[in-house]
Amino acid sequence: NAGVTQTPKFQVLKTGQSMTLQCAQDMNHEYMSWYRQDPGMGLRLIHYSVGAGITDQGEVPNGYNVSRSTTEDFPLRLLSAAPSQTSVYFCASSSPAEGRASPLHFGNGTRLTVT
Amino acid sequence: GNSVTQMEGPVTLSEEAFLTINCTYTATGYPSLFWYVQYPGEGLQLLLKATKADDKGSNKGFEATYRKETTSFHLEKGSVQVSDSAVYFCALTRDTGRRALTFGSGTRLQVQP
Repeated sequence: NAGVTQTPKFQVLKTGQSMTLQCAQDMNHEYMSWYRQDPGMGLRLIHYSVGAGITDQGEVPNGYNVSRSTTEDFPLRLLSAAPSQTSVYFCASSSPAEGRASPLHFGNGTRLTVT
Repeated sequence: GNSVTQMEGPVTLSEEAFLTINCTYTATGYPSLFWYVQYPGEGLQLLLKATKADDKGSNKGFEATYRKETTSFHLEKGSVQVSDSAVYFCALTRDTGRRALTFGSGTRLQVQP
């Protein structure tokens, strides 16, 4: 069972560079989201999508773009990387089966360092 | 807005000791409450959940009871094992549409043999 797959696992960028973090899920989940994890701050929501073609901002969206052209994929784009974006990024998905109690299924994360 | 407060770690215990990790929350209405666990190098996994007041979530020997009167959802386990060493996150959600979670800052548990 693949579940939620994130690539790459590690990435180092220079300030100003752009890149795309990939996320794919094979569970046919409608809901997908991106979180960033920083020490002492838990996880914070960046962007989310409730279905193909529909995206919206979370708590900390600045500097990031997303799109959802298929149910399976939800890439996160860093437009011009900044050192403040050094973090661990997690993609998550869930189904609507249990409403708001539906568990999130997380990928293993991408550790990004911006120098 | 919504918020979750967890006790700071790390928590270091000997094997077979009793574990409590405190979690309190602030939210209007009736949120759903969760505990997630993160093992080294992995993403978060759902450990247990509770969706209404006085519900008890349980899994793998861990338990937590949704206490609306004290706005708490403390995690407990009667006898921890080395394999329980991980980071534990308390979280809540109220928003059905976004299905977004508000997380606590996490508590690292280290269990020594």
